[in-house]
Amino acid sequence: LAKTTQPISMDSYEGQEVNITCSHNNIATNDYITWYQQFPSQGPRFIIQGYKTKVTNEVASLFIPADRKSSTLSLPRVSLSDTAVYYCLVGPSSGSARQLTFGSGTQLTVLP
Amino acid sequence: NAGVTQTPKFQVLKTGQSMTLQCAQDMNHNSMYWYRQDPGMGLRLIYYSASEGTTDKGEVPNGYNVSRLNKREFSLRLESAAPSQTSVYFCASILRGTGQGETQYFGPGTRLLVL
Repeated sequence: LAKTTQPISMDSYEGQEVNITCSHNNIATNDYITWYQQFPSQGPRFIIQGYKTKVTNEVASLFIPADRKSSTLSLPRVSLSDTAVYYCLVGPSSGSARQLTFGSGTQLTVLP
Repeated sequence: NAGVTQTPKFQVLKTGQSMTLQCAQDMNHNSMYWYRQDPGMGLRLIYYSASEGTTDKGEVPNGYNVSRLNKREFSLRLESAAPSQTSVYFCASILRGTGQGETQYFGPGTRLLVL
């Protein structure tokens, strides 16, 4: 299993860029890195996914170094509504779902 | 297109009672998962179904059973509820992209309290 480590919590102010790093030292060759966002009393929601280098979509960017032992989720210009728990998930595109593990996540609090 | 739906939204049980949590998806996905989430914790996989007619145990399967009724529906059953099963239960439907990792689509959750 590719175990992940994230900071437990982070604070930021509105309008700032937030970077959340996830460590996954034993990532396997066929593993992808996926980030989810969870608001209180809701199910997690997909944000972004990548395998290597940089991926960008309309809400975030994902930076993955060449060794793939870590990844960084970047949220540009956060607002109060970005306050949520962010999970980094590492797992294969195919194979047993038992290989997928959600860590404890990072509680991001955006302050006014 | 409702995505993933779960019923009920909230349930209170007494120890020893049984119940079935229902999950349905309308995205034509092959794989579906059941998770539980305890307060302040991440999600733990209970059971999963890679395709219609197949089910397999996840990280914490004890005390639960599942049924993949058809491609749309995946139910989770507690035969004899225990207080330790008080949790929020999430169902997820999985899109597996060609040459990409999988994306999970979650339902709104079922909050279960076992007294």
